[in-house]
Amino acid sequence: AQRVTQPEKLLSVFKGAPVELKCNYSYSGSPELFWYVQYSRQRLQLLLRHISRESIKGFTADLNKGETSFHLKKPFAQEEDSAMYYCALAGGGYQKVTFGTGTKLQVIP
Amino acid sequence: DTGVSQNPRHKITKRGQNVTFRCDPISEHNRLYWYRQTLGQGPEFLTYFQNEAQLEKSRLLSDRFSAERPKGSFSTLEIQRTEQGDSAMYLCASSPYTGGGEKLFFGSGTQLSVL
Repeated sequence: AQRVTQPEKLLSVFKGAPVELKCNYSYSGSPELFWYVQYSRQRLQLLLRHISRESIKGFTADLNKGETSFHLKKPFAQEEDSAMYYCALAGGGYQKVTFGTGTKLQVIP
Repeated sequence: DTGVSQNPRHKITKRGQNVTFRCDPISEHNRLYWYRQTLGQGPEFLTYFQNEAQLEKSRLLSDRFSAERPKGSFSTLEIQRTEQGDSAMYLCASSPYTGGGEKLFFGSGTQLSVL
């Protein structure tokens, strides 16, 4: 079975402060991990995926297989980063995508 | 191409009635997913298709739920004998699956309210 855990429902940070959104996963094989974001009144959309090793809007995420984590980080939060963030895992023979419960990021001006 | 389209946007029904939702994926996307989302929760997996084949259906899903994707194009999700607990946002997503690392493209969802 595959499971994604996001322990924080809400994370509030001041503008310019560092951000770390936590994600832990449970999966017996080699998963593919993603971060999706949903801005107010917009559709859920992909932010980044670990296989691309990319930085999007200043966000990065490193897959730590030892700790089974895929935390999302940004050194300096901006007001436009306020949104719901979902960690997701693709696994299994058919690469089913499973989502965590999400963390609401609130950047305080 | 305007992305994944879901209809209707909102559906209000009485308990015990049947409802059907439609999802039109992005053209030529071979994967299609259905998720359910309630307030404060993440998207909960319901079922998914590779072309017209239904790969998996969540064990949490009762027999009242059925989904189809004829000819591997649009998909429908039907809920029979609706219950108040079925009230949720139903999300559809599609992807050009090529073996892994796929990006899901989501629709705006259908908000179901069961009275």
